[in-house]
Amino acid sequence: KNQVEQSPQSLIILEGKNCTLQCNYTVSPFSNLRWYKQDTGRGPVSLTIMTFSENTKSNGRYTATLDADTKQSSLHITASQLSDSASYICVVSRQTGANNLFFGTGTRLTVIP
Amino acid sequence: GAGVSQSPSNKVTEKGKDVELRCDPISGHTALYWYRQRLGQGLEFLIYFQGNSAPDKSGLPSDRFSAERTGESVSTLTIQRTQQEDSAVYLCASSPHGGTGELFFGEGSRLTVL
Repeated sequence: KNQVEQSPQSLIILEGKNCTLQCNYTVSPFSNLRWYKQDTGRGPVSLTIMTFSENTKSNGRYTATLDADTKQSSLHITASQLSDSASYICVVSRQTGANNLFFGTGTRLTVIP
Repeated sequence: GAGVSQSPSNKVTEKGKDVELRCDPISGHTALYWYRQRLGQGLEFLIYFQGNSAPDKSGLPSDRFSAERTGESVSTLTIQRTQQEDSAVYLCASSPHGGTGELFFGEGSRLTVL
């Protein structure tokens, strides 16, 4: 069964601290993995995409990793800011199928001053 | 327009009424998706369009839900005889080619059924 599991479900950190969000998947055959950021009351926005051959990719203070062997990805946020408070959604694409996108339920991050 | 546009942004309706939600995707995007997001929950897939056809409508929760897309552009999601459990944000996303491409989301239509 194609599934995407994210952890933790929610996280509260102090401004300036780092944090790491996890995404485990069983989607096969794997095509790519994207992390989206969803601010409260807004639609999700893509942060980064990881393909099979990529291990690490950075986008400013966001760094995503992918281990295609263990089917795990992480999103590391460095020097968190209040504006990082949002839900972070992991979406895994499968190579085949009409609708081949599988969503995690997200991690709700709250950054407090 | 520059992004995906959804209307109305907010809709309050009485139980039993029909509602129509509209999505204007980014021009040229062939793939269009509808998702439902209940308060504090993840995104729930409803239907996927490639062009004007819907190869996957498996996520529609009941026959009260239907969607159509015309001219490879605008899509409408219709909910008939609304129930309180239909209250949610309905998000539309478009993608240049569908499949494994990046999704560009609208801001959603918040539906409240009293």
